[in-house]
Amino acid sequence: NAGVTQTPKFQVLKTGQSMTLQCAQDMNHNSMYWYRQDPGMGLRLIYYSASEGTTDKGEVPNGYNVSRLNKREFSLRLESAAPSQTSVYFCASSAADRVYYTFGSGTRLTVV
Amino acid sequence: AQSVTQLGSHVSVSEGALVLLRCNYSSSVPPYLFWYVQYPNQGLQLLLKYTSAATLVKGINGFEAEFKKSETSFHLTKPSAHMSDAAEYFCAVSDIKAAGNKLTFGGGTRVLVKP
Repeated sequence: NAGVTQTPKFQVLKTGQSMTLQCAQDMNHNSMYWYRQDPGMGLRLIYYSASEGTTDKGEVPNGYNVSRLNKREFSLRLESAAPSQTSVYFCASSAADRVYYTFGSGTRLTVV
Repeated sequence: AQSVTQLGSHVSVSEGALVLLRCNYSSSVPPYLFWYVQYPNQGLQLLLKYTSAATLVKGINGFEAEFKKSETSFHLTKPSAHMSDAAEYFCAVSDIKAAGNKLTFGGGTRVLVKP
C-alpha cells in the first residue's frame, strides 16, 4: 500500500544513547517532515525537507539531526537521547499542492 | 507566521448531542485548513480540508467545518455525537508563504462522549 513507513514503532533508550528513526514514502512527494507529539501541545515540527537535498529547522530542532537520503527517505537522528525527548514521533510527506499530507503510523520513544 | 489555537483541550458531550470544536488560525495569506482525528494509540486521519473552494466543508463520519475569513475561524461540528467519536482532534493550517508547505497544528482537543 502506498504511504509513509516509519521504523521502529516502539523504542526504549537509555539517556545518552543514540538512535535513528527511519522514514520512507513511495508517493513521489517532494516534501517530508518530522513532528513530535506531546500531550497538550499538538504536533510540533522538528525538521523538514522541502525537496531532495535540502533540510531546514522547524519549531523544536534542538537535540536532533536529519538526513534526506534521497527523494524517498528522510531519517531523524538523536545523537544523545535525553528524557525530554520521550515522545511520539511522526513522519509525514506532502505533494507540492499543499493539499495532501500523508502521515506515518508513528514511533513511540521512551528515554529512561 | 502561521499559528493555530484550539479552544478547550478537553470537551465532554453526551451521545446524540452536538459536537463543536473551535479552531482559530493566524495566517498572512488565505490558508489551507485541515482537521485531523487521532484515535487512541493510532496515527492521524484526515477528517476534512478547506482549500479555498466552498466555505462549508463536509468530511468523513458526519463532520463538517465552516471557514469564516472575517473571524479567522474553522470550527468543526457534528450534529449528533456517537460513542465512536471519542478521540483527539487537531486543527492545522498551511499557507503558501510557509517554506516547504509546512503544516502547523493546534494543541488538540480531546473529546469524551458520555452515554
